[in-house]
Amino acid sequence: DSGVTQTPKHLITATGQRVTLRCSPRSGDLSVYWYQQSLDQGLQFLIQYYNGEERAKGNILERFSAQQFPDLHSELNLSSLELGDSALYFCASSAGGGTNEKLFFGSGTQLSVL
Amino acid sequence: GENVEQHPSTLSVQEGDSAVIKCTYSDSASNYFPWYKQELGKGPQLIIDIRSNVGEKKDQRIAVTLNKTAKHFSLHITETQPEDSAVYFCAASQEGGSYIPTFGRGTSLIVHP
Repeated sequence: DSGVTQTPKHLITATGQRVTLRCSPRSGDLSVYWYQQSLDQGLQFLIQYYNGEERAKGNILERFSAQQFPDLHSELNLSSLELGDSALYFCASSAGGGTNEKLFFGSGTQLSVL
Repeated sequence: GENVEQHPSTLSVQEGDSAVIKCTYSDSASNYFPWYKQELGKGPQLIIDIRSNVGEKKDQRIAVTLNKTAKHFSLHITETQPEDSAVYFCAASQEGGSYIPTFGRGTSLIVHP
């Protein structure tokens, strides 16, 4: 068990809808990262938050947004969903945010857009 | 930006054999190379990492090698066991600043009993 908790484990929704994925980092970790995993794209970095502030942004669509709350949990919001958004979404956490650190991944949320 | 290529995409071996997974990277500034193992239904888990000031690192049955000149690094698993079956990802990143590794596409390792 990595100590990173993601909910829900599975999510089935329709095109055009909006969903929220939740992540609780390991106790004491200040950084949260969101990744999208699909068969054809592998693990794609979406966004990182460090102690409540956005630290780095990757290939995140404008329809997607995220935030990190004062208790350090994070939420990834996906709106106007398309079939191509179906993927496994991972959250990872690390102790800090400034130097190379070990990432601890949650078990992921499997999103299916029908 | 960084680009990481990983080969092979699938690797099938017999129990007891060795397995080698190779990765190449494009950015010569990259200096940290972690390897992750993803078991079915779970998230990736860091199994070993290497920094650019080291050419090889071992941890029991697994080892990583790094050739900075050629910009490639490899994961070696000896005496494979069925529980080694998983998807393995290599990654590359730079020391300092935000820690955002670029991942390879993954290698599905299947160890047959």
